[in-house]
Amino acid sequence: EAGVVQSPRYKIIEKKQPVAFWCNPISGHNTLYWYLQNLGQGPELLIRYENEEAVDDSQLPKDRFSAERLKGVDSTLKIQPAELGDSAVYLCASSLGQGAAEAFFGQGTRLTVV
Amino acid sequence: GNSVTQMEGPVTLSEEAFLTINCTYTATGYPSLFWYVQYPGEGLQLLLKATKADDKGSNKGFEATYRKETTSFHLEKGSVQVSDSAVYFCALSDLQGAQKLVFGQGTRLTINP
Repeated sequence: EAGVVQSPRYKIIEKKQPVAFWCNPISGHNTLYWYLQNLGQGPELLIRYENEEAVDDSQLPKDRFSAERLKGVDSTLKIQPAELGDSAVYLCASSLGQGAAEAFFGQGTRLTVV
Repeated sequence: GNSVTQMEGPVTLSEEAFLTINCTYTATGYPSLFWYVQYPGEGLQLLLKATKADDKGSNKGFEATYRKETTSFHLEKGSVQVSDSAVYFCALSDLQGAQKLVFGQGTRLTINP
């Protein structure tokens, strides 16, 4: 069974440019998460979806970040415009939903803003 | 709010040494506790978990016991191998509503042959 798939693995962009990340969760997983992992730190939740509904986006910087999960499967995370401080690893994870204890993570997208 | 504190790394040990990575947490209610591992070039993988007080999670020779009285979930392994070299993250899950993992800062472990 395929795991959580993210693309691209690496992205280098100039500041003020837009960037988008894509995530395909494990089939049948209703819950999808985007986490931000800064260098040397643990991941921090940006947004959580239950099916196509964003149920927790309190940590998402909405002035420049946006996310969508159309049809409750794949998801995209966008930054526009990117800033130098956005350089980090963006992780996507999925789980079976409420009450399920285990989240499965993708390999992440490493973003470098220059 | 909920938080997790791990012992600072990096940690370097020789093969077959005993490993302890300390983890303490602050949480309201009764969270589930996890250890995730991140091998070089790979994504986070669940190593073990415990869902209630006094539960012991175990996997691949690693163990951790959910200690409510000391709010701790220390990771231990009796004899480490070079292949255990990775970054280890302690995490808790806020079960109010649904899953929201709160992670510690991670501990980088290097095992020398």
